[in-house]
Amino acid sequence: DVKVTQSSRYLVKRTGEKVFLECVQDMDHENMFWYRQDPGLGLRLIYFSYDVKMKEKGDIPEGYSVSREKKERFSLILESASTNQTSMYLCASSPNRGRWKNEQFFGPGTRLTVL
Amino acid sequence: SQQGEEDPQALSIQEGENATMNCSYKTSINNLQWYRQNSGRGLVHLILIRSNEREKHSGRLRVTLDTSKKSSSLLITASRAADTASYFCATDLGWRNTDKLIFGTGTRLQVFP
Repeated sequence: DVKVTQSSRYLVKRTGEKVFLECVQDMDHENMFWYRQDPGLGLRLIYFSYDVKMKEKGDIPEGYSVSREKKERFSLILESASTNQTSMYLCASSPNRGRWKNEQFFGPGTRLTVL
Repeated sequence: SQQGEEDPQALSIQEGENATMNCSYKTSINNLQWYRQNSGRGLVHLILIRSNEREKHSGRLRVTLDTSKKSSSLLITASRAADTASYFCATDLGWRNTDKLIFGTGTRLQVFP
C-alpha cells in the first residue's frame, strides 16, 4: 500500500514563527502536492513538485515556500506564520505512470493553529 | 479558482437509500475523479472517469460524466452508516503530466442507521 506520512497531526505555533511541515511518501512517486483545506473553500493547491528540486506555484502560494531535495520528501515552509494560515494542511503524491497514474494519495493531514 | 462545484453541499439520508451528488466544472478536462474524506482525515480516491467515458461502476458506486454539460454525478447505492463522509470531485486538466487536480468544495453526506 502507498503510504504518505506527515510529520505532525496537530501543531500549534505563534505568529511570526517559522513553521516546517514535512511529508514523506514511500512509493517513488514523481509528483507531490501541498493543499490547505478550509471550511466552505474545499482544497486549495499551495505548491506542487513534479521532480526533485522542481516546484510550481499553485493557486495560493503567498506566504509559503517549499523544498524538495529528495524524491520522497516534500516540505512546506511558512516563513513567518500568521493567524490566517490556521488551517488543515494536506500532502499528496501521485505517479507519472502505471496502474495508479492520475490518482493522488493523501496523507492524514496536519491541523495547524497559529496563535 | 474553483473548477468543481458540488451540489448539494449537504445531504442526509437513511441507511439503504441511494445518495446522489453532482459536480459541475468550467473547462475541458482529461479526467474527473471522486474522493472521499472521513472527518478530520486525508482524502481517499474512489473512482476516476476519463473524458471519453460516460459511465463507470465500482462496487456500489456509479459515476456518470456529461462533457457537453460539464457535469458529473456520483451515485452511492444502498448506503450504509459507514458511508458518512465528505465527497469531493476533482478535475484533471492534464497540466504537464503532473495530474494537478482542482477540487470542488465537497458534499457532506450523513447516513443515519
